[in-house]
Amino acid sequence: QVQLQESGPGLAKPSETLSLTCTVSGGSISGYYWSWIRQPPGKGLEWVGYIYYGGTTNVNPSLNRRVTISVDTSKNQISLKLSSVTAADTAMYYCARGSGYYVYWGLGTLVTVSS
Amino acid sequence: EIVLTQSPGTLSLSPGERATLSCRASQSVSSGYLAWYQQKPGQAPRLLIYGASSRATGIPDRFIGSGSGTDFILTISRLEPEDFAVYHCQQYGNSPPLTFGGGTKVEIK
Repeated sequence: QVQLQESGPGLAKPSETLSLTCTVSGGSISGYYWSWIRQPPGKGLEWVGYIYYGGTTNVNPSLNRRVTISVDTSKNQISLKLSSVTAADTAMYYCARGSGYYVYWGLGTLVTVSS
Repeated sequence: EIVLTQSPGTLSLSPGERATLSCRASQSVSSGYLAWYQQKPGQAPRLLIYGASSRATGIPDRFIGSGSGTDFILTISRLEPEDFAVYHCQQYGNSPPLTFGGGTKVEIK
């Protein structure tokens, strides 16, 4: 059974770069797309972007200039970097497998942006 | 970008009743590529329906997805106690970006 686990600092300061990692176990990263999706507290879901295991990415245009998604197949990990964060980036960040609908999700990691 | 509008925002029903949730798209969703998820507090979303009407593995047949074009419906034929949750629709036919609706909360009356 594929399992995804997000990790990263729970707190970021405004204007800093947020870095998160998603570690995949029980299966290989190869052959799949991997997505990041976020959810501000008490609000709906927002697609951040996805990456193919070969490295091709697609990012939400609303976040385009601030988002970098990368993959490390040797570690079975996907990474998300979000620059110039503000309080509006406070959210639960999920990684999920796929580029369309999502069967496999991580448990999520809560990131709070505050000085 | 396709905007998905879910209604109602909150649905108050009793166990055993039928729930009807709506998801309306600002433009036609290509190939009916619409999914529904259930989310309980403190949990990640769980896929219920994909392709507008196909149930995901292990999803009970009381969950029924229907619709096409711009109007989609999730019906829960008889609410079980574990069905009280938030439901999200998502389109993946016209992407990027993939987009989600704002959610419908189904609460116990």
